[in-house]
Amino acid sequence: QKEVEQDPGPLSVPEGAIVSLNCTYSNSAFQYFMWYRQYSRKGPELLMYTYSSGNKEDGRFTAQVDKSSKYISLFIRDSQPSDSATYLCAIMEYGNKLVFGAGTILRVKS
Amino acid sequence: GAVVSQHPSWVICKSGTSVKIECRSLDFQATTMFWYRQFPKQSLMLMATSNEGSKATYEQGVEKDKFLINHASLTLSTLTVTSAHPEDSSFYICSARDSVLSPGPETQYFGPGTRLLVL
Repeated sequence: QKEVEQDPGPLSVPEGAIVSLNCTYSNSAFQYFMWYRQYSRKGPELLMYTYSSGNKEDGRFTAQVDKSSKYISLFIRDSQPSDSATYLCAIMEYGNKLVFGAGTILRVKS
Repeated sequence: GAVVSQHPSWVICKSGTSVKIECRSLDFQATTMFWYRQFPKQSLMLMATSNEGSKATYEQGVEKDKFLINHASLTLSTLTVTSAHPEDSSFYICSARDSVLSPGPETQYFGPGTRLLVL
């Protein structure tokens, strides 16, 4: 079993739609839960991270963590064509290495 | 914000040759750097953790004699792919952790990646 499971998509939505991206993880020891955005042929950039269950909001983006079910989500409101990218979830123990999901390819059509 | 650079951004080489990729932290010191490999439409896979002044720690299945890592200063780590073969063609990405700040996800910065094509 992989440590982090993520549906690779691709996910195609119309502009303005709400996007839901999800991951599950297996190890309860993980403390940090991150979402990265990666454009084609570029390095990943950190979008958001959290270390507790619940929601964290930043503009159009909301990260949600449910530690009891080992489930993490990223919601994108009012999606824009510029949001088209690969979204990677990642988990980490404090001070330790990152473990990435497979990444979900998102396409927002104008 | 903190910047990590990689050089070269892309390289094409012949099978059997060696290729060196540099990873630099431009405005912070990094005791620890990480090297990842990413095949098309796949996720980042950690290859090794590079520690300044000591030997790198390699992930299971990664050949340390093939992927040589040198972290000789607080701002530079290099990855050398020795005797490269077509199956080594991939996107290599480094990240650097700010030595001064707490080691959370927000203090680990990624480089733009190096695309390697072995003919």
